[in-house]
Amino acid sequence: RKEVEQDPGPFNVPEGATVAFNCTYSNSASQSFFWYRQDCRKEPKLLMSVYSSGNEDGRFTAQLNRASQYISLLIRDSKLSDSATYLCVVNTPGGYNKLIFGAGTRLAVHP
Amino acid sequence: NAGVTQTPKFQVLKTGQSMTLQCAQDMNHEYMSWYRQDPGMGLRLIHYSVGAGITDQGEVPNGYNVSRSTTEDFPLRLLSAAPSQTSVYFCASSYGDYSNQPQHFGDGTRLSIL
Repeated sequence: RKEVEQDPGPFNVPEGATVAFNCTYSNSASQSFFWYRQDCRKEPKLLMSVYSSGNEDGRFTAQLNRASQYISLLIRDSKLSDSATYLCVVNTPGGYNKLIFGAGTRLAVHP
Repeated sequence: NAGVTQTPKFQVLKTGQSMTLQCAQDMNHEYMSWYRQDPGMGLRLIHYSVGAGITDQGEVPNGYNVSRSTTEDFPLRLLSAAPSQTSVYFCASSYGDYSNQPQHFGDGTRLSIL
């Protein structure tokens, strides 16, 4: 089983739609969780951290479910500019923390 | 406002050649790392460094060497290039204990081994 698993997609949605991605992780001791965004052939960039109580940043909402070991990202009112690959990132505790990246979920927003 | 700078952006090598991928950051970050990204896979950690003079192996270190003589620079050396090392390489840095810190990535180096 992969340490971090994501549905690769693509998710094809019209502008204005609401779309949600899930990501599961295998290490129950993981403490830090992030969503990164990666545009085609570009470097990943931090979209948002994921906090235990859930958090929101504009149209983006992140949730953490420790019991089921998954995190989610909800995007409301999708824009064309949201088209990208969304990477789920989880730390692996023990020694110096290491980040494990999921393979990403591709989102395509169309007019 | 350079951030993390990687050179070169593109490189083609022949099997058996060696080369060094350069990475420099101007944010005084303690932590630096190298990842490779292959189609259908997440970024995989090759080597990382928690400060000048300190390096350690990541998930896929074989065939690569690193050193960290200064805070700013963290070069990645391919000792004898193999086609399996064809990939996109990203260097990243973060401040201190990065478990809660964002990783700042360079633009990437696209490397092809023939």
